[in-house]
Amino acid sequence: EAQLVESGGGLVQPGGSLRLSCAASGFTLSTSWMSWVRQAPGKGLEWVAGIKQDGSEKHYVDSVKGRFTISRDNAKNSVYLQMNSLGTDDTAVYYCASYNTTWGCLDPWGQGTLVTVSS
Amino acid sequence: DIQMTQSPSSVSASVGDRVAITCRASQGISTWLAWFQQKPGKAPKLLISVASTLQSGVPSRFSGSGSGTDFTLTISSLQPEDFATYYCQQAKSFPLTFGGGTKVEI
Repeated sequence: EAQLVESGGGLVQPGGSLRLSCAASGFTLSTSWMSWVRQAPGKGLEWVAGIKQDGSEKHYVDSVKGRFTISRDNAKNSVYLQMNSLGTDDTAVYYCASYNTTWGCLDPWGQGTLVTVSS
Repeated sequence: DIQMTQSPSSVSASVGDRVAITCRASQGISTWLAWFQQKPGKAPKLLISVASTLQSGVPSRFSGSGSGTDFTLTISSLQPEDFATYYCQQAKSFPLTFGGGTKVEI
């Protein structure tokens, strides 16, 4: 069974940095676009970033451009999200998900990791 | 960016009811639309891709329709386990965008 597991969340002060990781099992991550999606407490879903299979193409939502960087290490079957200059608006559960470009859908998803930006 | 507008934002329904949720895209997206179900504290679950293709294991009471800018998710006979929040998501172009969600409650 394909499974994604996120880690690296936690409490960080405004202006700080955090690096999230997403590890895949039962699933060869190198064959898929990968994405990060976040959900602020009590709010809806927001796609944050995506990266092509070989890392040659990356996309970001405007609100994180210049602050967040998505990357991947296919040898480690993992994808990452480096988050810098964090603000309180970045507080959310962050999910990684595989993006199937043939069917245009995000599946599977990890269980999420909570990032709290607060002083 | 393509904006996705869902309606209603919430709906009160009973077991056995037929429920329809609509999603409108700010520009044509062909059938590049997915539907998700999310329960509290859980990751979203993919129900439908490319507007009408039911995912394996998803009950047949769920169906999707539409193309272009207007889409509908229909639950033909609501079951207790269907009370959740539903989201649409466009896959026509980056950034991928979601609708605001529809909470289906008793």
